Amino acid sequence: QKEVEQNSGPLSVPEGAIASLNCTYSDRVSQSFFWYRQYSGKSPELIMSIYSNGDKEDGRFTAQLNKASQYVSLLIRDSQPSDSATYLCAVNGNNFNKFYFGSGTKLNVKP
Amino acid sequence: DAEITQSPRHKITETGRQVTLACHQTWNHNNMFWYRQDLGHGLRLIHYSYGVHDTNKGEVSDGYSVSRSNTEDLPLTLESAASSQTSVYFCASSYDRSNTEAFFGQGTRLTVV
Repeated sequence: QKEVEQNSGPLSVPEGAIASLNCTYSDRVSQSFFWYRQYSGKSPELIMSIYSNGDKEDGRFTAQLNKASQYVSLLIRDSQPSDSATYLCAVNGNNFNKFYFGSGTKLNVKP
Repeated sequence: DAEITQSPRHKITETGRQVTLACHQTWNHNNMFWYRQDLGHGLRLIHYSYGVHDTNKGEVSDGYSVSRSNTEDLPLTLESAASSQTSVYFCASSYDRSNTEAFFGQGTRLTVV
């Protein structure tokens, strides 16, 4: 079983819609959770981090964490074509010095 | 500004040759990581280090080695390059505490022919 699972997509949404990206993880004692955005040919860049259960909002982005269900999600409101990228979910495990990444979900926002 | 840089950005090498990819960070992070990224596999951990003279194997370490002689650098060596090692390689670093993210270099695209 992979440490971090994501639907590979592609997820297609129209401009202005809400994009919902999901991630599950296997290590129940994981402490820190991250969403990275990666444009084609570029390196991953951090867009959100979340450390406790509930929602965390930053502009158009909302991260949601449910440790009981081992589930992390990212909502992108008012999606823009510039949001088209691959979104990587990352988990910092029990040993907080190691990051596990999902395979990423490709998001296409259509104008 | 602090940063993490990789070199070269692109490399073509022949099967069987030894190749070294450089990674240099100026954040004074103790933790450094090497990942490879292939279509359908996401980022897979090759080797990682928690400090000077410390190195550890990740999930796909066969055929790779690293050494950590100072805080700033973690070079990745392919002992005898194979076509299966054609990939994009990312170096990352982080603070050695909880609730901290990993920062990535620009990546190195390696082609083994």
